[in-house]
Amino acid sequence: DAGITQSPRHKVTETGTPVTLRCHQTENHRYMYWYRQDPGHGLRLIHYSYGVKDTDKGEVSDGYSVSRSKTEDFLLTLESATSSQTSVYFCATGASQETQYFGPGTRLLVL
Amino acid sequence: QKEVEQNSGPLSVPEGAIASLNCTYSDRVSQSFFWYRQYSGKSPELIMSIYSNGDKEDGRFTAQLNKASQYVSLLIRDSQPSDSATYLCAVFTNTGNQFYFGTGTSLTVIP
Repeated sequence: DAGITQSPRHKVTETGTPVTLRCHQTENHRYMYWYRQDPGHGLRLIHYSYGVKDTDKGEVSDGYSVSRSKTEDFLLTLESATSSQTSVYFCATGASQETQYFGPGTRLLVL
Repeated sequence: QKEVEQNSGPLSVPEGAIASLNCTYSDRVSQSFFWYRQYSGKSPELIMSIYSNGDKEDGRFTAQLNKASQYVSLLIRDSQPSDSATYLCAVFTNTGNQFYFGTGTSLTVIP
């Protein structure tokens, strides 16, 4: 969706290094989400936010943290990247809990 | 048991035929149901939502919901090669107030 951008779009990093992914939206949506997508597992929720400074864990939150200091930005941080965190990461936003629109994704490779 | 289950396929149909995609879910308090289309290397795109039992039609797409059987389906009429993609079923549930996604069904429309 044109109103949601993710950066970087591709990243290669080494095990043990910190990584931050950014999601930026111009839709003024209240809800923002981070998912990872892996073969055989589908999309799995990492963390979500229901407002500025309001976040909660999803089903695969271990090893990840998030921050939302303003409506338009939702940051996902891997404190110490591991090879198991190699994945495609999608940000999604929605004006309500029951709607979600996805950003273009970030491909992360942890060596 | 997975929250949302789909046949992974691949499902192949000839051009002009009806493609039928199926999804079952486990949480009886699930409220809302969605179908997303995902082209290879791209992000999921919302194509249909359905909230009550019965059929909902939008162009060539029809979503069908049967809450008693915990079953939701997507019919694509007059299938086109451009419909070739992976279709993700998603369920929004009050349990955790989050979405659960199936692993997707790969559809190929053969010209």
